[in-house]
Amino acid sequence: GAVVSQHPSWVICKSGTSVKIECRSLDFQATTMFWYRQFPKQSLMLMATSNEGSKATYEQGVEKDKFLINHASLTLSTLTVTSAHPEDSSFYICSAQGHGANVLTFGAGSRLTVL
Amino acid sequence: DAKTTQPPSMDCAEGRAANLPCNHSTISGNEYVYWYRQIHSQGPQYIIHGLKNNETNEMASLIITEDRKSSTLILPHATLRDTAVYYCIVRVGSAAGNKLTFGGGTRVLVKP
Repeated sequence: GAVVSQHPSWVICKSGTSVKIECRSLDFQATTMFWYRQFPKQSLMLMATSNEGSKATYEQGVEKDKFLINHASLTLSTLTVTSAHPEDSSFYICSAQGHGANVLTFGAGSRLTVL
Repeated sequence: DAKTTQPPSMDCAEGRAANLPCNHSTISGNEYVYWYRQIHSQGPQYIIHGLKNNETNEMASLIITEDRKSSTLILPHATLRDTAVYYCIVRVGSAAGNKLTFGGGTRVLVKP
């Protein structure tokens, strides 16, 4: 079945630094990937849609300059949290779906803690 | 995407069937019903989806009412490992570019 891999699974960083999270589709190509954020005891919130070869589409209220998304290939999308602050600490999850499939597969998530 | 309404939580006994309701009274004709679950600190896991016919797979059954305004996910024999948050999501089409918007879900606790 379709597998989506995220790296790192967890990261701790100091306030003011930038953190990059990778999302890879291991056995299929994905022109579109989605990034979500989840705070404790809350549901997943869609942050942005990552489109291969073009700019990402951000949901209302999500700062595009804060959360940089790059989708340079059909199997890799990256989310960079720039100048991270403690309030950016969260669980970040990506998802992707191959062409011809009808199910979105989610990665295992990346837990970011900003000190 | 149409909004869904689910009970916030429910308990069920191990070995018994778990019936999880979902209301999607404003669903449109081209919208599918998807079910995912999320076990603590993991990414969501796909369970099943359907358009208007009932569906069954190795994990669960999905019963969609004739008017499509509600559905029920059935876990036939709940185990302790089925403890999770279950999300009912209505999605426009099933193509790769169509996003999933999560609601609050139902927190299911399977008890011995």
